Amino acid sequence: QKEVEQNSGPLSVPEGAIASLNCTYSDRGSQSFFWYRQYSGKSPELIMSIYSNGDKEDGRFTAQLNKASQYVSLLIRDSQPSDSATYLCAVIRHTGGFKTIFGAGTRLFVKA
Amino acid sequence: NAGVTQTPKFQVLKTGQSMTLQCAQDMNHNSMYWYRQDPGMGLRLIYYSASEGTTDKGEVPNGYNVSRLNKREFSLRLESAAPSQTSVYFCASSVSRNTGELFFGEGSRLTVL
Repeated sequence: QKEVEQNSGPLSVPEGAIASLNCTYSDRGSQSFFWYRQYSGKSPELIMSIYSNGDKEDGRFTAQLNKASQYVSLLIRDSQPSDSATYLCAVIRHTGGFKTIFGAGTRLFVKA
Repeated sequence: NAGVTQTPKFQVLKTGQSMTLQCAQDMNHNSMYWYRQDPGMGLRLIYYSASEGTTDKGEVPNGYNVSRLNKREFSLRLESAAPSQTSVYFCASSVSRNTGELFFGEGSRLTVL
């Protein structure tokens, strides 16, 4: 089992729709969770961080965390073609030292 | 403000050759990291340096060595390159290893023939 699991996709949604991206993690002691966006050929950039159970909203993005289920999600409302990218879930694993571990990423396509 | 700078951006090596990837950050961050990214594998941590003077192994350290030269610079060395090390390498930095937000360099694309 991978430490951080994501559906590789691709996930295809029409413009204006809600895109839902999911992530599960195995280290129950993890406390910090992140979503990075990576455009093709570019480096990852942070778009959301979440540390407590519940929802965190920032513009069109909402991160959701459920530590009991070891589950993190990212919702993108009013999806735009410019949102087409790979979204990487990242977790700071506390076991064995603080290390940021990434999932394999989910490719999102937003169709105009 | 340059952020995280990696060199070189592209490199082709023959099997058995050695090379060093250089990374420097100008954000006064304490922690620095080297990741590799392969198709379908996401980012895998090779080595990291929580603070100046310390280095630790990540998920895939075999075949690599690192040096934290000072607070700004963190280099990655391939002593004897193998085709399996063909990848895109990213250097990243953060305020500290438990604060989370990583700032990435532009990446270095390495091909080993």
